[in-house]
Amino acid sequence: AQTVTQSQPEMSVQEAETVTLSCTYDTSESDYYLFWYKQPPSRQMILVIRQEAYKQQNATENRFSVNFQKAAKSFSLKISDSQLGDAAMYFCAWGNGNKLVFGAGTILRVKS
Amino acid sequence: DTAVSQTPKYLVTQMGNDKSIKCEQNLGHDTMYWYKQDSKKFLKIMFSYNNKELIINETVPNRFSPKSPDKAHLNLHINSLELGDSAVYFCASSPSRGQGWEKLFFGSGTQLSVL
Repeated sequence: AQTVTQSQPEMSVQEAETVTLSCTYDTSESDYYLFWYKQPPSRQMILVIRQEAYKQQNATENRFSVNFQKAAKSFSLKISDSQLGDAAMYFCAWGNGNKLVFGAGTILRVKS
Repeated sequence: DTAVSQTPKYLVTQMGNDKSIKCEQNLGHDTMYWYKQDSKKFLKIMFSYNNKELIINETVPNRFSPKSPDKAHLNLHINSLELGDSAVYFCASSPSRGQGWEKLFFGSGTQLSVL
């Protein structure tokens, strides 16, 4: 069975600075996707970024980028120039076309 | 128009009651899901339907019965509600595997409180 581990229950970052959220996963499958979702207090699940496992190039979306290390089964999220609106719960997820498996989440607090 | 809509947003009920949560998507997607988020914010898949057929049932008690009258709807019926059923339930949809399945759209969630 696939598992996703987020070892940081909570992180803090100063506004305008950079923060990295960690994620590791375990799978025996070769074809899969990895995701980071953001869940603000509104409860809505918002896709931040996704990475195809077969692509070596790390995905980027504006201030958000990932460091995908397939052999190490590691998928960290870097948020640059942090903004107050980035404060939320962040979930790492693994997916294979049938379902998503989520990590336990990391609460990100942004200090002004 | 909301892509994935679920009703109600909040549901407060007594133990032992039966309740339903409705979900509709207007994206033309083939696959729909129910996820449960517990009090510790842990999200776990419950069910997945593809073109009205059940393809995933993740060891959910059989008090939970999903029903898909057509591929745009996936409702969740819960019998004999228990305190431990209190959670946020998310509906989601995506195209089928091979056609952008990774583009999952979530509803805004239904917060169920069992008293």
